[in-house]
Amino acid sequence: EVQLVQSGAEVKKPGESLKISCKGSGYSFATNWIGWVRQMPGRGLEWMGIIFPGDSDTRYSPSFQGQVTISADKSINTAYLQWSSLKASDTAMYYCATWFGPYWGQGTLVTVSS
Amino acid sequence: QSVLTQSPSVSGAPGQRVTISCTGSSSNIGAGYDVHWYQQIPGTVPKLLIYGNRNRPSGVPDRFSGSKSGTSASLAITGLQAEDEADYYCQSYDSSLNGWVFGGGTKLTVL
Repeated sequence: EVQLVQSGAEVKKPGESLKISCKGSGYSFATNWIGWVRQMPGRGLEWMGIIFPGDSDTRYSPSFQGQVTISADKSINTAYLQWSSLKASDTAMYYCATWFGPYWGQGTLVTVSS
Repeated sequence: QSVLTQSPSVSGAPGQRVTISCTGSSSNIGAGYDVHWYQQIPGTVPKLLIYGNRNRPSGVPDRFSGSKSGTSASLAITGLQAEDEADYYCQSYDSSLNGWVFGGGTKLTVL
């Protein structure tokens, strides 16, 4: 069974850093693109970027280029999404997902508030 | 502004048929890339309804069907039920962006 299990909810202050994770199982993690999707409160789905864990080839949406970093560790079947300096506007639900399938994680709620 | 265009809202009475359209361009749907459709009830994870343009995952009722033609795709829902009230999103791949694209979502109201 394919599963994507994301790390738990986070509450952070503006300016803090954060790294959330997504662990895949039940499929060949290294040879399938995995991506991150943002959903702000009451808004639609936005593609942030994708990574091919096998060689770490990464593509970013122009809207998120330079704002976040996507990485993956194929040795532990885990993809990451990180911020170096959070803003209140980063408050959202973040999902990881594969293109094949497709399969989605359960989401990680990130709340940024002073 | 989303790369894939969906009507913001659609409505229908129980038992009726509704269609939700998703319009793209020659760099995504028109280039032959697959379209996936999701149903999302607010506060829940998007649920896959249709993958690869017209395929239903196990457990999705055959009231839901997908099609694709040219630069557009459509999701049809027949025998509308109250539980179908939700937001619906289309997704594809775009060769210009080298990544995924989503529609802005369509809110289905069951009257």
